[in-house]
Amino acid sequence: AQKVTQAQTEISVVEKEDVTLDCVYETRDTTYYLFWYKQPPSGELVFLIRRNSFDEQNEISGRYSWNFQKSTSSFNFTITASQVVDSAVYFCALSGQGGDYKLSFGAGTTVTVRA
Amino acid sequence: DGGITQSPKYLFRKEGQNVTLSCEQNLNHDAMYWYRQDPGQGLRLIYYSQIVNDFQKGDIAEGYSVSREKKESFPLTVTSAQKNPTAFYLCASSIRGLAGEGEQFFGPGTRLTVL
Repeated sequence: AQKVTQAQTEISVVEKEDVTLDCVYETRDTTYYLFWYKQPPSGELVFLIRRNSFDEQNEISGRYSWNFQKSTSSFNFTITASQVVDSAVYFCALSGQGGDYKLSFGAGTTVTVRA
Repeated sequence: DGGITQSPKYLFRKEGQNVTLSCEQNLNHDAMYWYRQDPGQGLRLIYYSQIVNDFQKGDIAEGYSVSREKKESFPLTVTSAQKNPTAFYLCASSIRGLAGEGEQFFGPGTRLTVL
């Protein structure tokens, strides 16, 4: 069974603060894929990043960065110098090697950035 | 432009009625998915299809039905057997390749309310 836990339900920050979203996962697969999606108020999920289990390099994309630590089964996401447009629900998701392409989602973290 | 369209955006239904949600994609993706999202919760998989004329139940398939007669279309019917159908429904698609490797692209969603 696969499980994704996002322990933070809501995070509120003031603009320009950094914010880190935690994601902890459970899987028995040796090969798996981790994802982060953003859901703005409009409702549509926007893909942010995919990471496979063999690539533990951290990644930075503009103000976004991701820290993948296999030893602690975590795939945390940091927004640096947050902006009001970053206000959204962020989901972490996991896909295994079962060949069925199913994603298991965490419950999501609502980020509110105040001006 | 390539993408996924869902219609209608808002849908109201009386108890006891069946209703069909539309999902169309022109991304030439093989795999398509239906998710349900309830307030404060992550996405839960209803049905998914990897190829035309084939589909599998997800985690919460009871009270729902689907068809996949064309590659680009994956309609979802919410039947009267679904006890609590009020929710936000999201359709997604992905390239069918190595297990879990392809990210899923999402449509804008349909918000269903049962009166």
